[in-house]
Amino acid sequence: GEDVEQSLFLSVREGDSSVINCTYTDSSSTYLYWYKQEPGAGLQLLTYIFSNMDMKQDQRLTVLLNKKDKHLSLRIADTQTGDSAIYFCAEVADSWGKLQFGAGTQVVVTP
Amino acid sequence: NAGVTQTPKFRVLKTGQSMTLLCAQDMNHEYMYWYRQDPGMGLRLIHYSVGEGTTAKGEVPDGYNVSRLKKQNFLLGLESAAPSQTSVYFCASSYGRRVQADTQYFGPGTRLTVL
Repeated sequence: GEDVEQSLFLSVREGDSSVINCTYTDSSSTYLYWYKQEPGAGLQLLTYIFSNMDMKQDQRLTVLLNKKDKHLSLRIADTQTGDSAIYFCAEVADSWGKLQFGAGTQVVVTP
Repeated sequence: NAGVTQTPKFRVLKTGQSMTLLCAQDMNHEYMYWYRQDPGMGLRLIHYSVGEGTTAKGEVPDGYNVSRLKKQNFLLGLESAAPSQTSVYFCASSYGRRVQADTQYFGPGTRLTVL
């Protein structure tokens, strides 16, 4: 079955860049997503990338997709304390659009 | 617009008790979902609905039932709660587009403890 894997924890200093990595298994996934979950809240869509793209940039966020290696990454430039959260990657897992989520990466930003 | 709302926010149950979690959305979304979130396991899909009057099983449906009598509401029921159902439950909804990215909008969650 599908399995989306992420590292569980990342510590980064304020002002540095953060890179969160994700590997997925379904080569037919049309879209891949990054969601952010702040403490005590639901998930909020950060960005997504279509499978025919290699890169997508949105302000401080850069998504890189390597389809050959089934590897997705999210880079956050100039990381701020407000970026402390859990970040989930997700792939479209079947024809009706069901999402398969990774376990989430806890990002802690230190001063 | 309120987006996706969930009631209650917190609940403590004893083993064997029943309860219903309510999800409501005001975005006229076709698709609605119930997930549970457990530490280190991400989100797992319990049940989902692709339209009013329809429901389907997700990844972990056992011990739960759902109903979608109105387009804007999606109810999750636990008939006989077990400690293994202690979790944070999230509802989500989406337009259900297939030809472009279909963003899921999440509610704030319900924290359920079963003793």
